[in-house]
Amino acid sequence: QVQVVESGGGLVKPGGSLRLSCAASGFTFGDYYMKWIRQAPGKGLEWVAHISSSGRTIYYADSVKGRFTISRDNAKNSLYLQMNSLRVEDTAVYYCVATYAYWGQGTLVTVSS
Amino acid sequence: EIVLTQSPDFQSVTPKEKVTITCRASQSIGSDLHWYQQKPDQSPKLLIRYASQSISGVPSRFNGSGSGTEFTLSINSLEAEDAAAYYCHQTSNLPHTFGQGTKLEIK
Repeated sequence: QVQVVESGGGLVKPGGSLRLSCAASGFTFGDYYMKWIRQAPGKGLEWVAHISSSGRTIYYADSVKGRFTISRDNAKNSLYLQMNSLRVEDTAVYYCVATYAYWGQGTLVTVSS
Repeated sequence: EIVLTQSPDFQSVTPKEKVTITCRASQSIGSDLHWYQQKPDQSPKLLIRYASQSISGVPSRFNGSGSGTEFTLSINSLEAEDAAAYYCHQTSNLPHTFGQGTKLEIK
């Protein structure tokens, strides 16, 4: 049974940092490219970052480039998102997604003073 | 960046009606287009992959078609539980963009 579980969200002040984690099971994690998708309250879905199956190829949305870092540990079946210099507009539910197919339940990040 | 434009943004329909949602891409994406249903406080659920491929466990009233730049999601004989937001998503070119969403209300 496929499971994707995000953790690490919470309340942080503008300019602060958070590290999101995603634990995957039930599929061969190392065979899948992974991505982070976010959804601001009441809004649509926004692609944030992408990492290839090997971890060698990485892309970011312009809105987070230079502030967020995506990484993975295939030995631990885990995906990460280091978020620095957080802004109010980064407030969203963050989803960990395997290709297009497997989604987690999301973790809420709230950036507010 | 490939822009996906869905229409309509909102539709109010009665049970047993047929609904069609369109997703247009700003350039050809082959069949690399997927459809999701999202209910409040839930993560998106995959309904259709690669434009027309069905997903195990998804009711047969959900059907997808199209290729290139124009795609449709059809819901036959709508049920009350189909009230949700629907999104298209392309994985042809990075960044993997989404349509803006279509909110379906059941009268």
